[in-house]
Amino acid sequence: DVKVTQSSRYLVKRTGEKVFLECVQDMDHENMFWYRQDPGLGLRLIYFSYDVKMKEKGDIPEGYSVSREKKERFSLILESASTNQTSMYLCASSLTGGVGNTIYFGEGSWLTVV
Amino acid sequence: SQQGEEDPQALSIQEGENATMNCSYKTSINNLQWYRQNSGRGLVHLILIRSNEREKHSGRLRVTLDTSKKSSSLLITASRAADTASYFCATAVTGRRALTFGSGTRLQVQP
Repeated sequence: DVKVTQSSRYLVKRTGEKVFLECVQDMDHENMFWYRQDPGLGLRLIYFSYDVKMKEKGDIPEGYSVSREKKERFSLILESASTNQTSMYLCASSLTGGVGNTIYFGEGSWLTVV
Repeated sequence: SQQGEEDPQALSIQEGENATMNCSYKTSINNLQWYRQNSGRGLVHLILIRSNEREKHSGRLRVTLDTSKKSSSLLITASRAADTASYFCATAVTGRRALTFGSGTRLQVQP
């Protein structure tokens, strides 16, 4: 089975802190994604990566950056956390070959910014 | 922007009943997928239907797609308490590398 692992399930950070959310997948997938999930808004795409060192902005990239130095690892970075970034963050991965592929999600990281 | 919108937002039924959830979308798609999310967990893929398909079955799941109306429905037959979860549709749009998710339907199945 595909496994997407998010290193932290629950985090509490202070406003202005730099926050790293780490994600690792074990199926040699080319594509990796970071989504944010908020009540009533569903999942919104922050960034995705289709290859090592390659990234594209999603629908809500402001306030976030990403890093993909190795194929299996995709990090989401909040340069200066703010309270409006309190949310659940979901990492996902999929094979290459286009957007029609199934994507596999991690268990999510709950971030609270105080 | 939201590509997919699910309806209803919440649904409560008794065990054994059928549950129907609908998804509408705005632009042409390559395929549409349904995902399930247990409370506080990640999403799990349920079924994919391609734009040239009209209906697809998987166990107790039945998905339909009407591209002329830009809508899809997910039917869960003979529901069980374990089906309690949120269900999301996701669309794959030409020229966009990532899926776009709707806001989901929360299904509660009462034992």
